[in-house]
Amino acid sequence: NAGVMQNPRHLVRRRGQEARLRCSPMKGHSHVYWYRQLPEEGLKFMVYLQKENIIDESGMPKERFSAEFPKEGPSILRIQQVVRGDSAAYFCASSLQGAGNQPQHFGDGTRLSIL
Amino acid sequence: AQTVTQSQPEMSVQEAETVTLSCTYDTSESDYYLFWYKQPPSRQMILVIRQEAYKQQNATENRFSVNFQKAAKSFSLKISDSQLGDAAMYFCAYRSASYGTASKLTFGTGTRLQVTL
Repeated sequence: NAGVMQNPRHLVRRRGQEARLRCSPMKGHSHVYWYRQLPEEGLKFMVYLQKENIIDESGMPKERFSAEFPKEGPSILRIQQVVRGDSAAYFCASSLQGAGNQPQHFGDGTRLSIL
Repeated sequence: AQTVTQSQPEMSVQEAETVTLSCTYDTSESDYYLFWYKQPPSRQMILVIRQEAYKQQNATENRFSVNFQKAAKSFSLKISDSQLGDAAMYFCAYRSASYGTASKLTFGTGTRLQVTL
């Protein structure tokens, strides 16, 4: 049983480039959450998606960041025109349902470094 | 908005001893879930234990147990018989029992646990 798969594990970009982070949820899971972890900090919620819909994007910056979870394929977190402050670990989690009693299973994260 | 506070940035425990990590939270909701996650140097997020707010009985998972005090909004983690593999960052997290926009996890800032011989 494959868990939540994130790729790439490490991503290096220069300032101004685009970063695309991918997340394949656990089999059967249709709810995906993205979190960002800055160095020496806890995880901060960014966006919650259910297949083809954004449910909650209250934690995602309004500019340069976008997320999608298409009917087919992985969820994508896209960061345009990256800046040094985007350097962080980005974690994806998935759950079977959106209810609070459903555990969120985390991927291993993507560590994004901006040169 | 809910907040989660972990007031101990670092803790240290000797192997085989017991350690307690503190967590307090603030919420106006009556139904919610609380979690402890472990993040070892590999940076995986591993669920350690979960507590439903409507349950008075404290959750237990092998060497890990919690002391849930709902009125005080306190949720501490006790690790018994500490092992070297327990060394990690530990995050306390809150999640509303509501559907939809409330289903995100809110994390504390973490406690780094060192285990010494």
